[in-house]
Amino acid sequence: AQTVTQSQPEMSVQEAETVTLSCTYDTSESDYYLFWYKQPPSRQMILVIRQEAYKQQNATENRFSVNFQKAAKSFSLKISDSQLGDAAMYFCAYRSAERGGGSNYKLTFGKGTLLTVNP
Amino acid sequence: GAGVSQSPSNKVTEKGKDVELRCDPISGHTALYWYRQSLGQGLEFLIYFQGNSAPDKSGLPSDRFSAERTGGSVSTLTIQRTQQEDSAVYLCASSFAGVSTGELFFGEGSRLTVL
Repeated sequence: AQTVTQSQPEMSVQEAETVTLSCTYDTSESDYYLFWYKQPPSRQMILVIRQEAYKQQNATENRFSVNFQKAAKSFSLKISDSQLGDAAMYFCAYRSAERGGGSNYKLTFGKGTLLTVNP
Repeated sequence: GAGVSQSPSNKVTEKGKDVELRCDPISGHTALYWYRQSLGQGLEFLIYFQGNSAPDKSGLPSDRFSAERTGGSVSTLTIQRTQQEDSAVYLCASSFAGVSTGELFFGEGSRLTVL
């Protein structure tokens, strides 16, 4: 079974600074997706960024970028120019891209990192 | 609707009572998931529905938990004889099955408090 580990329960950053959230995962599969989801106090999970494992290029979405190290099974999220609205719980998640049954389509989540942005 | 809709938003119940939580997925999404988020924990997979296929119930924690999906759309998660450890946020998500992006779309969840 796949596991996702987020080793930082809490992180803080000054507004306008850069912060990196860590995520490692364990899998025997070669084809999969990795995600970072943001959960603000409203509770709704919002997709921040997605990475396909077969792509070597790191995904980027505006101020959000990832450092995907497939061999090391590492998938960190970098937030540049942090804003007050970035404060939230961030979850790293894994999903198999291999065919073979319904359970392959579920997301496996880490326990999350609570990010605080200080003005 | 435009997004995944869940109701009730908050539910307080007494130990031993039954509760029903409802999820209305995004129109056209054939896959539907239920997750549980306990305080300080990540999201725990409960159950997955895909079209007319048999649901994947591998995450249901006990036989007090059940779920159904009628007409391939709305889903109801039922917890019988609730216990205090059932207190959590129950999140529903939907997606196009087998979609290449792999993304799930989440509702705002139902917060269940068992007294």
